[in-house]
Amino acid sequence: AQTVTQSQPEMSVQEAETVTLSCTYDTSENNYYLFWYKQPPSRQMILVIRQEAYKQQNATENRFSVNFQKAAKSFSLKISDSQLGDTAMYFCAFMPYQGGSEKLVFGKGMKLTVNP
Amino acid sequence: DTGVSQDPRHKITKRGQNVTFRCDPISEHNRLYWYRQTLGQGPEFLTYFQNEAQLEKSRLLSDRFSAERPKGSFSTLEIQRTEQGDSAMYLCASSLVRAGGIYNEQFFGPGTRLTVL
Repeated sequence: AQTVTQSQPEMSVQEAETVTLSCTYDTSENNYYLFWYKQPPSRQMILVIRQEAYKQQNATENRFSVNFQKAAKSFSLKISDSQLGDTAMYFCAFMPYQGGSEKLVFGKGMKLTVNP
Repeated sequence: DTGVSQDPRHKITKRGQNVTFRCDPISEHNRLYWYRQTLGQGPEFLTYFQNEAQLEKSRLLSDRFSAERPKGSFSTLEIQRTEQGDSAMYLCASSLVRAGGIYNEQFFGPGTRLTVL
């Protein structure tokens, strides 16, 4: 079974600063996807960024980038130039690559607050 | 395109009552997922449908839970004889799965928050 661990329950950062959210996972699979989802207060969950395990290059989406360390089973999210709208719960998630259900396995989440 | 919608957004019920939630996926999406999110936890997979067929159920889905997706469009999740431990956010997600094993993004609805008194 796969597990996803987010050890930091809460973080805060000043607007315009950079923050890194950590995530580790455990799996015996060799091919899989990793995701970071954002859940703003009282709003639906949206995908922030995706990483395929077979790709060595770290994924980047505008101000969001990841540091994927496959051997260490680590997948951190870096948010640059933090904005007030980044305030949300952030969930790290895992999905096996082999098809089938494509169900997501989530971590417990981390509450990020961006202060003005 | 209005995205994934869920109804109701909030439901308060007394222990022992039955409740039913509805999810309307994005049009043309053939996959539909139900997740449950309890306070302080990430979403946990409950079940999923490929068109109208329910293909997998988590062990979290006790006999009191039943889900349907008639005609492969909207889905309902019913909880019979609710218990206080059923209090949670119930999330629905949908995706369009094509042959070939290419990644298919799941789009989430706003959720239904259930409170069992």
